[in-house]
Amino acid sequence: ETGVTQTPRHLVMGMTNKKSLKCEQHLGHNAMYWYKQSAKKPLELMFVYNFKEQTENNSVPSRFSPECPNSSHLFLHLHTLQPEDSALYLCASSITGVSTDTQYFGPGTRLTVL
Amino acid sequence: DQQVKQNSPSLSVQEGRISILNCDYTNSMFDYFLWYKKYPAEGPTFLISISSIKDKNEDGRFTVFLNKSAKHLSLHIVPSQPGDSAVYFCAANRNTDKLIFGTGTRLQVFP
Repeated sequence: ETGVTQTPRHLVMGMTNKKSLKCEQHLGHNAMYWYKQSAKKPLELMFVYNFKEQTENNSVPSRFSPECPNSSHLFLHLHTLQPEDSALYLCASSITGVSTDTQYFGPGTRLTVL
Repeated sequence: DQQVKQNSPSLSVQEGRISILNCDYTNSMFDYFLWYKKYPAEGPTFLISISSIKDKNEDGRFTVFLNKSAKHLSLHIVPSQPGDSAVYFCAANRNTDKLIFGTGTRLQVFP
């Protein structure tokens, strides 16, 4: 596999479920990102990890819990979500966390919360 | 309050013609601007960028123009090809701040 991969590609969950999104990058990058894209809204940064340390939390509700065990893997743990959390969740990586570094995106996970 | 705006949700252009995608921003402190392209079922891919010290950057068929006084950014694609049909996002940031994205413009290039 090359680039940035995300699993699952589609996820339907109830409000009481717990699920996790996984992202893996095969580019040797040191920074990883979670973005949310709701319908007809811009991509919105959620979290940034740089060398496994969280460097940005964009006021994300605690029902979203990120985990970065190493520079290649990033998880987003989900629990007690709301229907308005339904969106496309995109993972990205870059060489470092410098904002002018090109970010490489995965294909996203389409999440539906019932 | 959206700091980066793409006011045209869609654009349709004939193959071979020029496509012009527009982007406006409100924060005069932005100093770096990018365009990303997104195909269905794929993540956005970086296309071209421009620093605020320049007013034009060209890469093959793609040229980005920056008008700082008007706080306006545009992407020109010449000549347009059917494979250019995608959603185009502009994004901007300042110093080490996070990227701010627009809502995207869907470009359709027809034969």
